Amino acid sequence: GENVEQHPSTLSVQEGDSAVIKCTYSDSASNYFPWYKQELGKRPQLIIDIRSNVGEKKDQRIAVTLNKTAKHFSLHITETQPEDSAVYFCAADTGTASKLTFGTGTRLQVTL
Amino acid sequence: GAVVSQHPSWVICKSGTSVKIECRSLDFQATTMFWYRQFPKQSLMLMATSNEGSKATYEQGVEKDKFLINHASLTLSTLTVTSAHPEDSSFYICSAPGGRAKPQYFGPGTRLTVL
Repeated sequence: GENVEQHPSTLSVQEGDSAVIKCTYSDSASNYFPWYKQELGKRPQLIIDIRSNVGEKKDQRIAVTLNKTAKHFSLHITETQPEDSAVYFCAADTGTASKLTFGTGTRLQVTL
Repeated sequence: GAVVSQHPSWVICKSGTSVKIECRSLDFQATTMFWYRQFPKQSLMLMATSNEGSKATYEQGVEKDKFLINHASLTLSTLTVTSAHPEDSSFYICSAPGGRAKPQYFGPGTRLTVL
């Protein structure tokens, strides 16, 4: 089955700096890669996603890059703000019944 | 975007009792829903795939007789934790794909505490 690794587990950045979170996956059949933001005690919220036919996608301060050959994808947050502080999860979907395998999460702390 | 609701949002029960959690897709139909469990400071672990009109598919290591899943309609899946024990205390979250080639949307979660 699919295995998704995520790094780092914690990340502290100063407000205004950029944050990068990286994930690798094992199943070459995976074709959809969403990123979720989860605040304490709340549901995961989709913030951006990318499909395997695209190498990069951007939405305002958030971007995701995908390298299919290397089987890794990354989340980039620019101009970080305190409200970006949360746990971020990457995931991979093989397309079989839309089943997602999640990474272990990254706790992002944006300090003033 | 698509909305998924979950009920109850939290529940406290005594050891040995059963607890039912409902997951509903409010503005779309979902032939498949997913149930996850999340322990504090950990990732979401898929427990099972709920299939409308057929049996659920359980992940390895998840006891199907303990975690009963029923997908009664195209908008409702239920998870029943039978004979709950303190180690079953966790945050249970459901999700449903928003449609063909659309992302998954998560319910707000149910925090279960077993005393």
